[in-house]
Amino acid sequence: KAGVTQTPRYLIKTRGQQVTLSCSPISGHRSVSWYQQTPGQGLQFLFEYFSETQRNKGNFPGRFSGRQFSNSRSEMNVSTLELGDSALYLCASSLGGENEQFFGPGTRLTVL
Amino acid sequence: QKEVEQNSGPLSVPEGAIASLNCTYSDRGSQSFFWYRQYSGKSPELIMSIYSNGDKEDGRFTAQLNKASQYVSLLIRDSQPSDSATYLCAPRERTRNYKLTFGKGTLLTVNP
Repeated sequence: KAGVTQTPRYLIKTRGQQVTLSCSPISGHRSVSWYQQTPGQGLQFLFEYFSETQRNKGNFPGRFSGRQFSNSRSEMNVSTLELGDSALYLCASSLGGENEQFFGPGTRLTVL
Repeated sequence: QKEVEQNSGPLSVPEGAIASLNCTYSDRGSQSFFWYRQYSGKSPELIMSIYSNGDKEDGRFTAQLNKASQYVSLLIRDSQPSDSATYLCAPRERTRNYKLTFGKGTLLTVNP
């Protein structure tokens, strides 16, 4: 069974631009969660989608948004990029409920 | 009180020793608990899940859960240098739509 995939793996943008990251969950998984990870900050939860509905949301500004499609694939968008948005963005999928969650390889975003 | 607290690292053990990683959580309703291992620059990898009080063993890893004390731990027997990584504890919070909440992690170094 294929794992969680994320595209692109690496991205370089400049301040003020916007970016869209994509995540394909494990087949059959309906829950997709997004995290931001920066050195020293640990995993910061962005949001979670389940069957196209946002179920949980972290404490990030409105510049960070996401959506999930009917095939469970998810995208997250960051508008008006800031230098502080440079981070590893991780996507994870799960069947939902109490089930295990599996991470993708991440997208490393660099904002110049 | 922080939602998920892990013993502050870094934790350093000699090769062959037992490494003990601890975690406490605040949501009394949590029923499922996960341990992830994260190598530097990589995404978290699920290594153990535990749902019932007591011990669960998988190879050199043993997870221990005590819901009454809101405590979960991970023991790594016969530690190897390849175990050197950050270990993340994550309970699911039923009260928050089964949101997976991560601790900040404990950095483990196994010295040859």
